[in-house]
Amino acid sequence: QKEVEQNSGPLSVPEGAIASLNCTYSDRVSQSFFWYRQYSGKSPELIMSIYSNGDKEDGRFTAQLNKASQYVSLLIRDSQPSDSATYLCAVGSNDYKLSFGAGTTVTVRA
Amino acid sequence: GAVVSQHPSWVICKSGTSVKIECRSLDFQATTMFWYRQFPKQSLMLMATSNEGSKATYEQGVEKDKFLINHASLTLSTLTVTSAHPEDSSFYICSAKEQSDQPQHFGDGTRLSIL
Repeated sequence: QKEVEQNSGPLSVPEGAIASLNCTYSDRVSQSFFWYRQYSGKSPELIMSIYSNGDKEDGRFTAQLNKASQYVSLLIRDSQPSDSATYLCAVGSNDYKLSFGAGTTVTVRA
Repeated sequence: GAVVSQHPSWVICKSGTSVKIECRSLDFQATTMFWYRQFPKQSLMLMATSNEGSKATYEQGVEKDKFLINHASLTLSTLTVTSAHPEDSSFYICSAKEQSDQPQHFGDGTRLSIL
């Protein structure tokens, strides 16, 4: 069974700080990796996608992938109250299905 | 780009009713659409994968006769919950992807409440 584990939350950070989210996965042949943001009562929204080892930056978000360690992370710099949400790590396999982690709830304190 | 529309947003109906949920890709052709279910405080659970013009592939434990999926065109997939009961109450979310290496984009979800 393909497992995706995320660091347990909730994660509370002050406004302006960096929020760090971690995710590990069990399927070594995983090809694609995504971070989705889900506000309460809403559907997930794609934040970042990453396919190769290293860092990928998009605005205040940076995703890091290390396939050897089966690890992917998301950093949120200059955290804002609007970043308060549940962040879902999703891992894609050869059959294009996504396996989701349980999510980490982030609260940014004003 | 990559907008997925899901309708309806909310459904409240009596036990035994069948409910149809539509998922449309508005600005791209979706070769594959996915249907998920999410219970409160839990993550998304994949129910089935829908490919245009072929039968849906259901995940283990999902009753294909209860959750009917039709993907008649490259922009529309429907999920019908037949003879719904209170235990079917959940948040149903569809997603679509344009090409095999592209991310999935999600609809706004349908909150189904069976009385």
